[in-house]
Amino acid sequence: KNEVEQSPQNLTAQEGEFITINCSYSVGISALHWLQQHPGGGIVSLFMLSSGKKKHGRLIATINIQEKHSSLHITASHPRDSAVYICAVNYFGNEKLTFGTGTRLTIIP
Amino acid sequence: DTAVSQTPKYLVTQMGNDKSIKCEQNLGHDTMYWYKQDSKKFLKIMFSYNNKELIINETVPNRFSPKSPDKAHLNLHINSLELGDSAVYFCASSPRDPGELFFGEGSRLTVL
Repeated sequence: KNEVEQSPQNLTAQEGEFITINCSYSVGISALHWLQQHPGGGIVSLFMLSSGKKKHGRLIATINIQEKHSSLHITASHPRDSAVYICAVNYFGNEKLTFGTGTRLTIIP
Repeated sequence: DTAVSQTPKYLVTQMGNDKSIKCEQNLGHDTMYWYKQDSKKFLKIMFSYNNKELIINETVPNRFSPKSPDKAHLNLHINSLELGDSAVYFCASSPRDPGELFFGEGSRLTVL
């Protein structure tokens, strides 16, 4: 059983819609990462957070430590946001990064 | 200038061969990693190095041997390649562990 669960696995939306991708993990963490992998294959780090909320442009990441849950939001989605979004965590006492299975987002013009 | 660069980007080879993938970062980071992404796009850590010292060595076959000649380089050597080694291998670096990750473009290895 994967220790990092993402939902949904696939998401298709119209351009302009507000997007939410969820990530749940099982025990205490020192950090949570959101990564973006474009169809070309390259991986980009979007956020690294351990509490609260971070914002970068149209992207917002939140984390609730008590509920062991994080969300990635995209406002005013655009076809160029189409990518796989991956959640990953550093668990306390086991600092290797554990990855979720990813959410494939497709934004239709 | 590319921050984390891997070579080669594509590698096609026969079973049983030995091959290497090179990684270099010009960000001055102390920590470097190798990750494997399988055909289902699932990422898994293979190795982690901090300032040339091995920190994490996941359950990877002995045929895989990382080498870090200096903290800017982390190369991956694979002996006796098998079909199951076909994957995309990503190098990454970070200023600290845990820290923000900077990935290379990936090296797609195909074993025939």
